Amino acid sequence: DAEITQSPRHKITETGRQVTLACHQTWNHNNMFWYRQDLGHGLRLIHYSYGVQDTNKGEVSDGYSVSRSNTEDLPLTLESAASSQTSVYFCASSDPGTGHNEQFFGPGTRLTVL
Amino acid sequence: AQSVSQHNHHVILSEAASLELGCNYSYGGTVNLFWYVQYPGQHLQLLLKYFSGDPLVKGIKGFEAEFIKSKFSFNLRKPSVQWSDTAEYFCAVRGGTGGFKTIFGAGTRLFVKA
Repeated sequence: DAEITQSPRHKITETGRQVTLACHQTWNHNNMFWYRQDLGHGLRLIHYSYGVQDTNKGEVSDGYSVSRSNTEDLPLTLESAASSQTSVYFCASSDPGTGHNEQFFGPGTRLTVL
Repeated sequence: AQSVSQHNHHVILSEAASLELGCNYSYGGTVNLFWYVQYPGQHLQLLLKYFSGDPLVKGIKGFEAEFIKSKFSFNLRKPSVQWSDTAEYFCAVRGGTGGFKTIFGAGTRLFVKA
């Protein structure tokens, strides 16, 4: 079955370190998204991509970057981790071809920045 | 800019009680509307969606939602909740000119007492 996976599932890092969170989907979806989930804020969009070599900033993109070198993967990089980036990160994908735009979510990565 | 408001952040109900979770959005054009659910320890999954046609949509597990265009609302309902409905519920909107981006509300945490 097609799926979307994230790794690691849990990560503890220190302030200032570079961290990369992986997202891999086997749906063959063109659209991929990164969100962070924080209490009281719901899901906020960090970055998104509509296809290979395409990346766009979301509403909370400062301190984050993404790259899209193939259809399956959209890694999220925290250039210099800050305590404010402690959160749960969700990757999602959707298929623009269906016109329905339902998003399929990964299991999440819980990141703690000390 | 698009935004989504969920009226209740926390809801506590007893089993068999009726549920209604409010959702309002701000966007004047054609919208696609979604409710997602996140069970404890799990990732988000689609509960139901509205794209066009009958404004009363039915989803999984006995949930339904009604799109009222004049009120910019998409409230979620269930006639009789179960303990297993304990979860966090997110309303989401995708607007016609927003590309494939989906804006999420802050979420409502539902706790159902057995």
